[in-house]
Amino acid sequence: AQSVTQPDIHITVSEGASLELRCNYSYGATPYLFWYVQSPGQGLQLLLKYFSGDTLVQGIKGFEAEFKRSQSSFNLRKPSVHWSDAAEYFCAVARAGGTSYGKLTFGQGTILTVHP
Amino acid sequence: DVKVTQSSRYLVKRTGEKVFLECVQDMDHENMFWYRQDPGLGLRLIYFSYDVKMKEKGDIPEGYSVSREKKERFSLILESASTNQTSMYLCASSSRGWFYNSPLHFGNGTRLTVT
Repeated sequence: AQSVTQPDIHITVSEGASLELRCNYSYGATPYLFWYVQSPGQGLQLLLKYFSGDTLVQGIKGFEAEFKRSQSSFNLRKPSVHWSDAAEYFCAVARAGGTSYGKLTFGQGTILTVHP
Repeated sequence: DVKVTQSSRYLVKRTGEKVFLECVQDMDHENMFWYRQDPGLGLRLIYFSYDVKMKEKGDIPEGYSVSREKKERFSLILESASTNQTSMYLCASSSRGWFYNSPLHFGNGTRLTVT
């Protein structure tokens, strides 16, 4: 069965600092991977997705993620964090047989706090 | 812009009550989902529907049922609410071709408290 692990429950960074959020997945075949962001009181918004091809994918709001098959990882990065990036971030993998229906397995989430 | 609307933002119910959570989407999406969100557990799939009157169980269907009588509306039903169903509930929708063309679109959630 697929699984997603986000090792960091809570991360705090200073505004302007770089950011890396970790995501490890367990999946038998080629994974389809996603990062979502949830701002307080809001639903989830897609930041970026990886299906195939270039292992470095660009998303919205200046985020990028790198797929590393050898490490089963899909870490999210941003070179310079803004106060508005404070939110909860979720990594997710599409399930086997689920790609037609959008069924995703989500990680536990990482809460990002940004200090001024 | 796709809009997924959940009828209630906050809901407080008593143990044993029958509870209905409503979700409506305005983009003619075939697929609709109910997730439950709990701190430290992320999102877990309760049920999903890929067409009117069609449904499949997710990972944690116990204590829940769903109804999809119209394409745009997907209801989550707690037959007899219990305190362990206190949680944030998120509805989402996607088109059948979601994989390539569109992501899951989420509502803003319903925070349910069962006392």
